[in-house]
Amino acid sequence: EADIYQTPRYLVIGTGKKITLECSQTMGHDKMYWYQQDPGMELHLIHYSYGVNSTEKGDLSSESTVSRIRTEHFPLTLESARPSHTSQYLCASSRERGTDTQYFGPGTRLTVL
Amino acid sequence: GEDVEQSLFLSVREGDSSVINCTYTDSSSTYLYWYKQEPGAGLQLLTYIFSNMDMKQDQRLTVLLNKKDKHLSLRIADTQTGDSAIYFCAESESGGSYIPTFGRGTSLIVHP
Repeated sequence: EADIYQTPRYLVIGTGKKITLECSQTMGHDKMYWYQQDPGMELHLIHYSYGVNSTEKGDLSSESTVSRIRTEHFPLTLESARPSHTSQYLCASSRERGTDTQYFGPGTRLTVL
Repeated sequence: GEDVEQSLFLSVREGDSSVINCTYTDSSSTYLYWYKQEPGAGLQLLTYIFSNMDMKQDQRLTVLLNKKDKHLSLRIADTQTGDSAIYFCAESESGGSYIPTFGRGTSLIVHP
């Protein structure tokens, strides 16, 4: 059973609001990821981290930012939400060594009105 | 860059076998994975296979790897309605800095 958590599970907010999506894992994994998932299923990597103080942008251009001050915590922030940010956001983590199996959180469904 | 391709939909009758196919382009792939996503949830690892293996079986699941053709398949025997979900193929290389590449997902629909 994976120990990776995301809050909130659902969020409905108005345009222009600042929001932070939380992601925490208790497995001591070095690598963490944020994906944006289309309604049509495809995953888009938006940010990832190799460890504390490491953050990288993914394949999909995103107006969000991330931080990695602690190993277990990888929050994603939108400074000014827009309707185009409406999506499912999935957080994942994996060990740096071994099979690189990713463990996913349950996701945050974000709706921006 | 690396690419992983899957068909988008598969519909099967309950009790039949399902075969979900995947092709990839990265010849350096070390690990190949199948993940399952149920509605409203994150992805969950079903199984993975090392690139030096041809086949892996785990209960109702059989993974076949044709490394020459860069083709991976997942067979689900005796498919049940609870198997209805989205199945993602993914590949990764060894080494800590590599980021896995996912396919677009195959939506499996199981009907009575």
